[in-house]
Amino acid sequence: DIVMTQSPDSLAVSLGERATINCKSSQSVLYSSDNKDYLAWFQQKPGQPPKLLIYWASARESGVPDRFSGSGSGTDFTLTISSLQAEDVAVYYCLQYYTLWTFGQGTKVEVK
Amino acid sequence: QITLKESGPTLVKPTQTLTLTCTFSGFSLTTSGVGVGWIRQPPGEALEWLGVIYWNDDGFYSPSLKTRLTITKDSSKNQVVLTMTNMDPTDTGTYYCAHTTAITSGDYWGQGIRVTVSS
Repeated sequence: DIVMTQSPDSLAVSLGERATINCKSSQSVLYSSDNKDYLAWFQQKPGQPPKLLIYWASARESGVPDRFSGSGSGTDFTLTISSLQAEDVAVYYCLQYYTLWTFGQGTKVEVK
Repeated sequence: QITLKESGPTLVKPTQTLTLTCTFSGFSLTTSGVGVGWIRQPPGEALEWLGVIYWNDDGFYSPSLKTRLTITKDSSKNQVVLTMTNMDPTDTGTYYCAHTTAITSGDYWGQGIRVTVSS
């Protein structure tokens, strides 16, 4: 089984500042035949289902603001919110879908 | 547009079998590459993937739960059914179904159904 570990578990960032969330997989999620990393990022607000932000590690889902970006390859990935807005307060999850699916434990983002 | 909605009992007793239905619209489960997955979330905890069924009837399950899970589809009714046996209070949580493809796993989700396991 692939284990996904996020860090930190929570972070507080001032409005307008950068937020960075890391996700590490226990094995590579890079599919050699298409050179794509099967890693996604979701945002979940209280009482709502998760919302897909990023797929293939760095491809932004349609309608997602460009302050959200994903990077990394292989086993180490990062979600960056370039300028935190009040509406970005949420829990963020990474997901590997290279082999079955595994979610990370989540990172709670709050306003400092 | 794509929509999904979970339905079923909100209260089950320990040892009972849970059956949830995901009714969807806006896509077909006969289209190559398309699937519907199930994910749950205990109160205040992280998301946990349960399993998925694809257009070609291939089904995959969480290794830790596979002996208890069955996912089936009725493409003519646009429905996917999750069956989980031997329910326990630790299975309490919100259960979601989600549209998925090989590219964008989980791009559309239902609102979820809260299931409580209690005697």
